[in-house]
Amino acid sequence: DGGITQSPKYLFRKEGQNVTLSCEQNLNHDAMYWYRQDPGQGLRLIYYSQIVNDFQKGDIAEGYSVSREKKESFPLTVTSAQKNPTAFYLCASRLAGGNEQFFGPGTRLTVL
Amino acid sequence: QKEVEQNSGPLSVPEGAIASLNCTYSDRGSQSFFWYRQYSGKSPELIMFIYSNGDKEDGRFTAQLNKASQYVSLLIRDSQPSDSATYLCAVDTGRRALTFGSGTRLQVQP
Repeated sequence: DGGITQSPKYLFRKEGQNVTLSCEQNLNHDAMYWYRQDPGQGLRLIYYSQIVNDFQKGDIAEGYSVSREKKESFPLTVTSAQKNPTAFYLCASRLAGGNEQFFGPGTRLTVL
Repeated sequence: QKEVEQNSGPLSVPEGAIASLNCTYSDRGSQSFFWYRQYSGKSPELIMFIYSNGDKEDGRFTAQLNKASQYVSLLIRDSQPSDSATYLCAVDTGRRALTFGSGTRLQVQP
């Protein structure tokens, strides 16, 4: 099955801890994205990567970090510097030259 | 001013009616426009996209784009209760990442 997988589905973090959210795709897509969604809100762009070993900050990058060492993988680390990390995190990917972005199932992060 | 604006709703329509969802955007350089459907607790799924002025039809869905007015809409014909969801408008301003509106919640009454 081709698709985008995110893990874990639910994640609980204590204040002051860093956590890493996984995103993997086997669609051979070139570009990958991380968005954050708060209740009743749209999606806001955290980071995106058009090719391996390159990524750009989105609109709300502070307190987050990413890496893109492999085409299939784009993990997101939520650091302790992110003051309000409780949210629904969505990973997406897109084929180079294509228009459509497709989303993974999401990770719901809660800070205790 | 928000970059992509949508009425939050809820928009309530009876089953079988046409639902009309609207979206305005501020960046005149915007190139592509997308409609996603999101069920509660789930990730968004792409319904359709449009990049040329005019209408684009796909089954019961029609996207309409007017770049001069910076307006994009989605019409859903023969609305079904299963269409009840939040509809997100998204815009690609050229950086190949999307800017989303906050969504319109649609309720289709049986």
